[in-house]
Amino acid sequence: QKEVEQNSGPLSVPEGAIASLNCTYSDRGSQSFFWYRQYSGKSPELIMSIYSNGDKEDGRITAQLNKASQYVSLLIRDSQPSDSATYLCAVNSNSNSGYALNFGKGTSLLVTP
Amino acid sequence: EAEVAQSPRYKITEKSQAVAFWCDPISGHATLYWYRQILGQGPELLVQFQDESVVDDSQLPKDRFSAERLKGVDSTLKIQPAELGDSAMYLCASSPGLGYTFGSGTRLTVV
Repeated sequence: QKEVEQNSGPLSVPEGAIASLNCTYSDRGSQSFFWYRQYSGKSPELIMSIYSNGDKEDGRITAQLNKASQYVSLLIRDSQPSDSATYLCAVNSNSNSGYALNFGKGTSLLVTP
Repeated sequence: EAEVAQSPRYKITEKSQAVAFWCDPISGHATLYWYRQILGQGPELLVQFQDESVVDDSQLPKDRFSAERLKGVDSTLKIQPAELGDSAMYLCASSPGLGYTFGSGTRLTVV
């Protein structure tokens, strides 16, 4: 079973701070990595994808990938209360399942005013 | 913006009854997925379709669950009979490739 591990949290940060969310995966052959945001009672929403080692920035959000360490992270700068949600890490391993994603359990983020 | 349509949004059913969920993917998306998300957990893949063909249903409890996508467009997921442990959010997603879009989901409560 290919594992995607996340700290369930909750991670609490004050408004304006940097939130750092981490994810590790077990399948060294994994090629594609995604972060989804999920508000309570809603469906997941894709917020970031990353495919190569290094950083990828989009506005206040930066994804970091280190395939050697099998580690992917998400940084949210200038955190806002509206960022409070569960963040799901998802990994595609190019298995027989094609583009199917394997999800972690998610990290709950709480941004306090 | 194109969306994945799912219905119903909420469903309450008694155990041992049959229940069905419907999904209409984004137009042109050949790949369709059904996921189940238990409260506090991440989504778990139940079945993946490529057009009308099943690519992966290894995690689908086939004694009670069935899924079809007859014309390679919309899809139906059925549970018969429903059990208390089936209470969860059932999510449909579609994609042209990597990184897909989820529908709003169906929240199933089995009583």
